[in-house]
Amino acid sequence: AQSVTQLDSQVPVFEEAPVELRCNYSSSVSVYLFWYVQYPNQGLQLLLKYLSGSTLVKGINGFEAEFNKSQTSFHLRKPSVHISDTAEYFCAVIMIKAAGNKLTFGGGTRVLVKP
Amino acid sequence: DTGVSQNPRHKITKRGQNVTFRCDPISEHNRLYWYRQTLGQGPEFLTYFQNEAQLEKSRLLSDRFSAERPKGSFSTLEIQRTEQGDSAMYLCASSFSSPSTDTQYFGPGTRLTVL
Repeated sequence: AQSVTQLDSQVPVFEEAPVELRCNYSSSVSVYLFWYVQYPNQGLQLLLKYLSGSTLVKGINGFEAEFNKSQTSFHLRKPSVHISDTAEYFCAVIMIKAAGNKLTFGGGTRVLVKP
Repeated sequence: DTGVSQNPRHKITKRGQNVTFRCDPISEHNRLYWYRQTLGQGPEFLTYFQNEAQLEKSRLLSDRFSAERPKGSFSTLEIQRTEQGDSAMYLCASSFSSPSTDTQYFGPGTRLTVL
């Protein structure tokens, strides 16, 4: 079985400051990794994904994440946040070669950007 | 490409009533997933279809829940004899399966409130 842990349930941050959201996973097999963002009362939007290759992945809206296999982590970063980045962020994994490619999500990190 | 759509967006019902939700995936996508998200949690997998075949169901999907995708296009999720514990956001996602993995695109969700 696999699991995803997002260590911070809430992260307050000032506008134009950097932010890092932590994600660790546990799995008996290799995984693909994803970050999704959810704005209030909306569905999930894909920010970025890691399937293979370079461990530094760039996504939309200036976000990037780094896959660290030895630490089983996939932390999300943005060098300078905007008010519009206020949202909930979810880390998720898919077990490679598992049937169906179902996503397993972490509990989410709520980012509140303050002016 | 109009994205994944879900109807209704909100549903309020009384305990014991039946409800049905609809999901229209992105037209060329052959996989369709249902997830449930309770307040303050990440989404949890319920079931998925490849074309019209329902290939996996989570243990979360009790006998009161049934999902269909009759023609391999839209899908419905029915909950019979609703309970207060069914109150949640029900999310639908679709994808096009590939040999490696497929990116799931989410709809806006249907928020169910059981009184």
